[in-house]
Amino acid sequence: EGQLVESGGGLVMPGGSLRLSCGASGFDFNYAWMAWVRQAPGKGLEWVGRIKRRSDGGTADYAAAVKGRFTISRDDSRNMLYLQMDSLKADDTALYFCAHYGGREYFRDWGQGTLVIVSS
Amino acid sequence: QSALTQPASVSGSPGQSITISCTGTSSDVGSYDLVSWYQHHPDRAPKLILYENTKRPSGVSSRFSGSKSGNTASLTISGLQADDEADYHCCSYAGSDTYHVFGGGTKVTVL
Repeated sequence: EGQLVESGGGLVMPGGSLRLSCGASGFDFNYAWMAWVRQAPGKGLEWVGRIKRRSDGGTADYAAAVKGRFTISRDDSRNMLYLQMDSLKADDTALYFCAHYGGREYFRDWGQGTLVIVSS
Repeated sequence: QSALTQPASVSGSPGQSITISCTGTSSDVGSYDLVSWYQHHPDRAPKLILYENTKRPSGVSSRFSGSKSGNTASLTISGLQADDEADYHCCSYAGSDTYHVFGGGTKVTVL
């Protein structure tokens, strides 16, 4: 079973930037597709985006709500996943989870999340 | 508003069975056999309990079962236990533009 630990959350002003990190262990990160999922206060989960493993091109896909503002990257040598968030809005306030894909479009492992608050 | 519709809350007594519905559209739930369910206790990591509509990961109790009909998927918890009290989220693959949609989550209360 994989272990995922997010970090980097905090309070940021509207228009600001923040970078989240996710450390992975317990599975072969090089072969993993990874995702970010968020949960705004009192709301359901929302898929933010994903990044494929290098052998599948290593490209990232994004939800429409964050496309052009958020960037997902990975460092396979460090078993780390990142989420660079720019031009942050109040609507981006949420608990951000890192997740590891299972075989077909589901999330096998999750972290506990890191809280991002966008407020002046 | 979430893309998939779940009841906000469901409750049951210990030992009873409950069912949580997850209604989408022909663009997501209705088009793919790729509905997954997650159990989320507060301050813990969400946990995968069902994938591909009906499959259970190893280690997940057989008390959890899933089904799908048309645009609606369902999660049934039988023999309800105190530790089942949590939020439950459904998720469906929705194609290569939207990728994944979630429900709003259902809070299960064990009376």
